[in-house]
Amino acid sequence: NAGVTQTPKFQVLKTGQSMTLQCAQDMNHNSMYWYRQDPGMGLRLIYYSASEGTTDKGEVPNGYNVSRLNKREFSLRLESAAPSQTSVYFCASSEIYWGRWGAFFGQGTRLTVV
Amino acid sequence: LAKTTQPISMDSYEGQEVNITCSHNNIATNDYITWYQQFPSQGPRFIIQGYKTKVTNEVASLFIPADRKSSTLSLPRVSLSDTAVYYCLVGEGEAAGNKLTFGGGTRVLVKP
Repeated sequence: NAGVTQTPKFQVLKTGQSMTLQCAQDMNHNSMYWYRQDPGMGLRLIYYSASEGTTDKGEVPNGYNVSRLNKREFSLRLESAAPSQTSVYFCASSEIYWGRWGAFFGQGTRLTVV
Repeated sequence: LAKTTQPISMDSYEGQEVNITCSHNNIATNDYITWYQQFPSQGPRFIIQGYKTKVTNEVASLFIPADRKSSTLSLPRVSLSDTAVYYCLVGEGEAAGNKLTFGGGTRVLVKP
């Protein structure tokens, strides 16, 4: 079982370029999440999708868009990358009742914007 | 999602027991207490979950008093590889619209 798979693992962008981070889970989870983690800091929620067909803003949504393509896949798009978006991005998935069953994370995408 | 308070950092030595206490005074009846572990350069890993009393697995133990307003994660006989950030989360999921947010966590440093 792969769990949560993120691609790419590393990416360097120039300011103003766009890109999409991909995330797929094979656990049949309903909910999926995107976080960013700056050096030495905690995780901040960007967007989440409680179930297929729904998406909602998290704590730091500005500069990002998401698409819940199907139950398995949840992508994060940076339309015009800025140096402030340099970070490690984590995707996670969970059942609806994450408190009881927990959430599972991918290995992260390390993004540098120059 | 109930607000949680946990220490910012803790130091320990190999072979010692590490106890991290998390306060969650406004925990709701349906809320569970969940702990995650994050190693450097990796995503968080779910390690233990409980509702009341004591839960133990191969990684840790979780102690929850009767009033459930706090919980303590216990890591027995730590090794250098237990150096990580530990996050305490309290919630159930659906009641919060399934929004899952993390606090700052507790940075545990295990020294030789």
